[in-house]
Amino acid sequence: AQSVSQHNHHVILSEAASLELGCNYSYGGTVNLFWYVQYPGQHLQLLLKYFSGDPLVKGIKGFEAEFIKSKFSFNLRKPSVQWSDTAEYFCAVNARASKIIFGSGTRLSIRP
Amino acid sequence: DVKVTQSSRYLVKRTGEKVFLECVQDMDHENMFWYRQDPGLGLRLIYFSYDVKMKEKGDIPEGYSVSREKKERFSLILESASTNQTSMYLCASSLGHGGATTNEKLFFGSGTQLSVL
Repeated sequence: AQSVSQHNHHVILSEAASLELGCNYSYGGTVNLFWYVQYPGQHLQLLLKYFSGDPLVKGIKGFEAEFIKSKFSFNLRKPSVQWSDTAEYFCAVNARASKIIFGSGTRLSIRP
Repeated sequence: DVKVTQSSRYLVKRTGEKVFLECVQDMDHENMFWYRQDPGLGLRLIYFSYDVKMKEKGDIPEGYSVSREKKERFSLILESASTNQTSMYLCASSLGHGGATTNEKLFFGSGTQLSVL
């Protein structure tokens, strides 16, 4: 069965620091990969997604993620975070003909 | 923009009560989903529907049922609420015909925080 691991439960950074949130999945075949974000008091929304092609995917608000097939990883990155990036981030994966599975989430807190 | 509306933001119920959570989407989406969100566990799929009157179990269907009589409305029912069903419930929808295997973007509602006392 496929699974998704987000090892960082809570990350605290200062503004302008660089961000990398880890996401690893367990499935040997072709997968679709997603990052969703939930800002305080708001609904979950899609940040970026990967289906095929260029493994470096750019999303909204300066975020990007890199799919590394050999490492079963899809880490989220941002070169310089802002206070407004404070949110909870969820990685999600679905294999072909399988349901979307979400990770446990990473809470990101940015110190002004 | 797609709007997914959940009828209640906060709900408090007693153990043993029958609870209805309502969700409506306004963009003619085929697929609708119910998740529960718990700290440290992320989102877990309870049920989903890929067409009117069609439903399939997700990963944690026990204690829940669903109803989809109209395309735009997907209801989650707790037949006899228990304290371990205290959680944030999220409804989502997506456009196409892939059911829960869709690789399409999910649109989420704002959630219903249910407390069962």
